[in-house]
Amino acid sequence: NAGVMQNPRHLVRRRGQEARLRCSPMKGHSHVYWYRQLPEEGLKFMVYLQKENIIDESGMPKERFSAEFPKEGPSILRIQQVVRGDSAAYFCASSSQGKNTEAFFGQGTRLTVV
Amino acid sequence: GENVGLHLPTLSVQEGDNSIINCAYSNSASDYFIWYKQESGKGPQFIIDIRSNMDKRQGQRVTVLLNKTVKHLSLQIAATQPGDSAVYFCAENMGIGAQKLVFGQGTRLTINP
Repeated sequence: NAGVMQNPRHLVRRRGQEARLRCSPMKGHSHVYWYRQLPEEGLKFMVYLQKENIIDESGMPKERFSAEFPKEGPSILRIQQVVRGDSAAYFCASSSQGKNTEAFFGQGTRLTVV
Repeated sequence: GENVGLHLPTLSVQEGDNSIINCAYSNSASDYFIWYKQESGKGPQFIIDIRSNMDKRQGQRVTVLLNKTVKHLSLQIAATQPGDSAVYFCAENMGIGAQKLVFGQGTRLTINP
């Protein structure tokens, strides 16, 4: 049973370009969460999605950031017109239920904006 | 070795000793907590969880203690090994009706040979 798969592992973008980060949850998991981590800091919640629905996006910036989890395929975190401050590690987690259950993380995508 | 709260983010212990990592959480209504281990360049790895109706839970070489009165969580690791060196995060679920984990600052644990 494969774990949470994220790709790419490393992504370099120039300022103003778009970044697309993908996350395939564990088999049987329909709840996906995205977190951002700056160096030497904890993970900051961004968004929680269930198949085709955004449940909680309170941690996501209102502009340039969007997330989706379509019926088929991986969850996508999309960052438009990237700026240097977007450079961070982005982690995806998944769980089988939506509350008080183990959430398993992927290895992350490290985004560098140059 | 033991650290208190989030004021000492680095903890060094001798191999074979027990270690205690502490965490102060913020929301008295949080009802679910998880400890994660994160090695350099990797994603957080689930260690152990505890629900608010419990005050202690044990796993393999790890024990989590929950004190709801003072909103304090601790992770005890017995007989530490070099592979235990990592950053440890506590996380509380602050979602209402959903999962919204809020992570603490983290503690870097170093195991000395």
